[in-house]
Amino acid sequence: GAVVSQHPSWVICKSGTSVKIECRSLDFQATTMFWYRQFPKQSLMLMATSNEGSKATYEQGVEKDKFLINHASLTLSTLTVTSAHPEDSSFYICSARAGVTREQYFGPGTRLTVT
Amino acid sequence: RKEVEQDPGPFNVPEGATVAFNCTYSNSASQSFFWYRQDCRKEPKLLMSVYSSGNEDGRFTAQLNRASQYISLLIRDSKLSDSATYLCVVNMRNSSASKIIFGSGTRLSIRP
Repeated sequence: GAVVSQHPSWVICKSGTSVKIECRSLDFQATTMFWYRQFPKQSLMLMATSNEGSKATYEQGVEKDKFLINHASLTLSTLTVTSAHPEDSSFYICSARAGVTREQYFGPGTRLTVT
Repeated sequence: RKEVEQDPGPFNVPEGATVAFNCTYSNSASQSFFWYRQDCRKEPKLLMSVYSSGNEDGRFTAQLNRASQYISLLIRDSKLSDSATYLCVVNMRNSSASKIIFGSGTRLSIRP
């Protein structure tokens, strides 16, 4: 299957700082990238959908000023968690898709811990 | 009612058994369907797409019933390595947007 990378794989940061997570599609052009969050023993929760060159669409309840998404190219999307708080600690997973009805391929995830 | 519903399980079955689980979806405009598996603390990995005519990949068989709005996954001759959470994914599309919905997952545990 297609390969999606995510960096970093884990990060610990102090409360109030910002963290940037990168998501790259390595062997295909991703027209759409998705950002999910998953708390322990819970399902994936979609945070936002981003299409290359346009503003991200955020799900209800997700603060767009706190979770900044940039999808600058067909192979790269970034999620910046601004002014992180301990409750933002979670597993953040991105996925990429080549077409509207195509399957998604997931990155390996980034485990964020805010102290 | 949730847009995509799955029995959370856990399903605990012996090695070699056949196990099946369903996933129901509420939006008849749903277009694409997938099964993913997710191991503990790992990202979901695509198991198989689900086609209208049904499809099989080795020990795994997926079926779609549009009239009753559910998809199913059948695992034959289960292996210990099949232990995971299985996520049902539905791609809904209307005239303006496409939306992907994940089920909450069904946990499967295969015992020796």
